[in-house]
Amino acid sequence: GAGVSQSPRYKVAKRGQDVALRCDPISGHVSLFWYQQALGQGPEFLTYFQNEAQLDKSGLPSDRFFAERPEGSVSTLKIQRTQQEDSAVYLCASSLGQYSNQPQHFGDGTRLSIL
Amino acid sequence: QKEVEQNSGPLSVPEGAIASLNCTYSDRGSQSFFWYRQYSGKSPELIMFIYSNGDKEDGRFTAQLNKASQYVSLLIRDSQPSDSATYLCAVSYNNNDMRFGAGTRLTVKP
Repeated sequence: GAGVSQSPRYKVAKRGQDVALRCDPISGHVSLFWYQQALGQGPEFLTYFQNEAQLDKSGLPSDRFFAERPEGSVSTLKIQRTQQEDSAVYLCASSLGQYSNQPQHFGDGTRLSIL
Repeated sequence: QKEVEQNSGPLSVPEGAIASLNCTYSDRGSQSFFWYRQYSGKSPELIMFIYSNGDKEDGRFTAQLNKASQYVSLLIRDSQPSDSATYLCAVSYNNNDMRFGAGTRLTVKP
């Protein structure tokens, strides 16, 4: 079956531009997570959805970051007024159950470069 | 602060040897433990998960959990060059919170 799909795979933007990153989770997966991964580091938690409800956004680094999952399936991570420090790989993961104690399945990520 | 610590490596082992990867965590309330493999430029791929103290084996991989000592390890038997990757340890606190270590880079030399 299809895995987690993310688009675009690569995004280059100029500082100050807005970007939108898309995640299409595995069908039927309740939970959806966004992570930010810097070079040489492990993924850092950004936000979590259970169906359409955003239950935890404590990892979002600033109010320039916004995520939504309006119909409980596809999710979009939006970054406004991008800064160079936003350059990273953004990973989306989904899991079948409600909590992060279940295995998460990752997409291939979006590599974001801010010039 | 909930910390997950891994030796960044690189860990180098010869082909056919056992590779041992270790991870320690700070929060005794941790419930679930995961090992992910990440090839360069690729996404993390789930290798093993373990919830209870003891060993869990899956093919060439064995995960070991010791909650009293707050460590979890991954053993890879008969290591192959294709096992060369970064191995990420992840710890869940039974809510929405999963923390990853920075990863250990493993190189298996032919």
